[in-house]
Formats: sequence, C-alpha cells, structure tokens
Amino acid sequence: QLVLTQSPSASASLGASVKLTCTLSSGHSSYAIAWHQLQPQKGPRYLMRLNNDGSHYKGDGIPDRFSGSSSGAERYLTISSLQSEDEAEYYCQAWATGTRVFGGGTKLTVL
Amino acid sequence: EVQLLESGGGLAQPGGSLRLSCAASRFTFSSYAMSWVRQAPGKGLEWVSTLGVSGVDTYYADSVRGRFTISRDNSKNTLYLQLNSLRAEDTAVYYCSKDDSTGSHFEYWGQGTLVTVSS
Repeated sequence: QLVLTQSPSASASLGASVKLTCTLSSGHSSYAIAWHQLQPQKGPRYLMRLNNDGSHYKGDGIPDRFSGSSSGAERYLTISSLQSEDEAEYYCQAWATGTRVFGGGTKLTVL
Repeated sequence: EVQLLESGGGLAQPGGSLRLSCAASRFTFSSYAMSWVRQAPGKGLEWVSTLGVSGVDTYYADSVRGRFTISRDNSKNTLYLQLNSLRAEDTAVYYCSKDDSTGSHFEYWGQGTLVTVSS
C-alpha cells in the first residue's frame, strides 16, 4: 500500500533554510511525488514534481528558493531564505493506478 | 493563468445531497483530467475523486465510493461532484484541481467551497 509519511511540524527562522521530508512506504521508493503548499485562507498551490533521481519540475511562478531532492525512499523540499509568507502547510502527494495519496502534511512555522 | 472556481457548497443535513461545480477557464478543459480534493477541519488534504479526459474513467477514494459521483461537461468547461448520502465526516472544504498532462499530480487548484453536514 502506497503511504507517504511526513513530520507534523517544523520551524525555522526568518531568512534561514528548512528541509522538509516525505518518506515513501516500502516497495515504493522509486516513485515520483509532488509537493503542494497550503497557506492559511488560501487554496493549495502546486510547487513541484520531484522524481526519484532528484530532478524536479516546478510550477508556474515558484521562486528559486524552493528546491527538491531525493535519497532512496525520501523526498525533500528545501526552502531557503525563508519569508513570512512561507509559513504554511506542506503536503507531498503520490499517485498509482486509480488513486492519489497525500502525506499527512507538515506545518511550517517561520520564527 | 488557469482559473478554477468552485461553487455549490453549503449546509446539508445528514443523508442529504449537494452538487458542487467547478468552472474552469484559460486552458483547454477537455484535454485534461480533473480532480476533487478535500480538507476536513483540522485535518490534512484528502483526495476524493479523479475523472479522465473522456469522462469515462472515474476513480474514487474508498471513503466516498458509491455516494459521490464525478462528472464533467466539456461544452461548459465545468466539473461537477454530486454528493449523496452525506455524513458529518464529509464536512470539509472541497477543492477542484486540474491534473498535469500526464495525469499524475494536481497542477492547479481552486480556492475551495465549504460543505457542512449537520442537523
């Protein structure tokens, strides 16, 4: 069964960098994922597709501060030069035939 | 830029029905799979349903299969979600999304419409 695991929360200081992690379940380590951002009182925003080789393809208008990387079953989202508007929930998402799956989300607090 | 505008949310009683609509613009609607995703209060995002380009291929989460029906009208650039046999746990903000060209992930999102199921 395809399952994505995320830490519930993370925090980092304004101007710093943070690396969020999404872990794919056993047997699914080769899967690509997508990262999405959900800001308060706004609809979600697609950030990027992240492949198992670390190549990533960002959505329209996504700043260079957002990048992705991969290692084994782990998929990472790194946000550098943190800004206050980066305080949001971040979800990883994967897909298989006939289904889409989200991780539980990570709530990022910018200190 | 792609625009997706949901409507049709509101208050419904347990066992009741609602129909959500998603008006799409600024892309060739008939060429993309479309999906619904929801977020219940205090919970994370949950995929609900996806509809393929042809309108024949439909996929549902186990939690809604048999109660919800996804459909589209390509002549009106509109996606629908018929919600029947509603339960309290269906209370959520429902988002419409446009799939990417490979039909793998959600590429654009609407602002959402709130569905509240309560007596």
